[in-house]
Amino acid sequence: DAKTTQPTSMDCAEGRAANLPCNHSTISGNEYVYWYRQIHSQGPQYIIHGLKNNETNEMASLIITEDRKSSTLILPHATLRDTAVYYCIVRVGRGAQKLVFGQGTRLTINP
Amino acid sequence: NAGVTQTPKFQVLKTGQSMTLQCAQDMNHEYMSWYRQDPGMGLRLIHYSVGAGITDQGEVPNGYNVSRSTTEDFPLRLLSAAPSQTSVYFCASRDPGWTAGNTIYFGEGSWLTVV
Repeated sequence: DAKTTQPTSMDCAEGRAANLPCNHSTISGNEYVYWYRQIHSQGPQYIIHGLKNNETNEMASLIITEDRKSSTLILPHATLRDTAVYYCIVRVGRGAQKLVFGQGTRLTINP
Repeated sequence: NAGVTQTPKFQVLKTGQSMTLQCAQDMNHEYMSWYRQDPGMGLRLIHYSVGAGITDQGEVPNGYNVSRSTTEDFPLRLLSAAPSQTSVYFCASRDPGWTAGNTIYFGEGSWLTVV
């Protein structure tokens, strides 16, 4: 099963772009990279996912390196409400049904 | 459409007591799962189900039982609660089928304290 490595914590100024890195060097060819976030005391929230192309939605952008061994989640204009723990997850398990969460990155947006 | 609903939201148990955490979803999702989250930690998978009548173990299944008699419900049972089971529990469900775009939806969590 592919594992992910993320920094424990990061800070970003309000209004600036927040760039959250993730390493997944053992990812296999058919595994997708997912990003979720968890705002304090709430259930995790889906942000974005990708296979090998860069992806963008209304919440964020996902940049995946050509060798797929790492990725970066970009919040283009971070707000205070983006303060949360961000999880980078590679889809693993029998039938790829399970999501395995690591410890994530605690992102703090500062005013 | 209520999404994923967990009950109770808060519960205090004495060591050795049993209880069931309820989880229901109204999205016709085949896949449901239970996670626990300890303070300052990520989520860990307890049990999951890919459909009615089918369950399987996750990373930390010991001390927990599950069953899946209907598509909508996936209760988590603690047969003999231990202080080590003090945690926040999240139920989750996912769209049917195996496609990469299927998003997992989480409930709001159940805070369990075992004294």
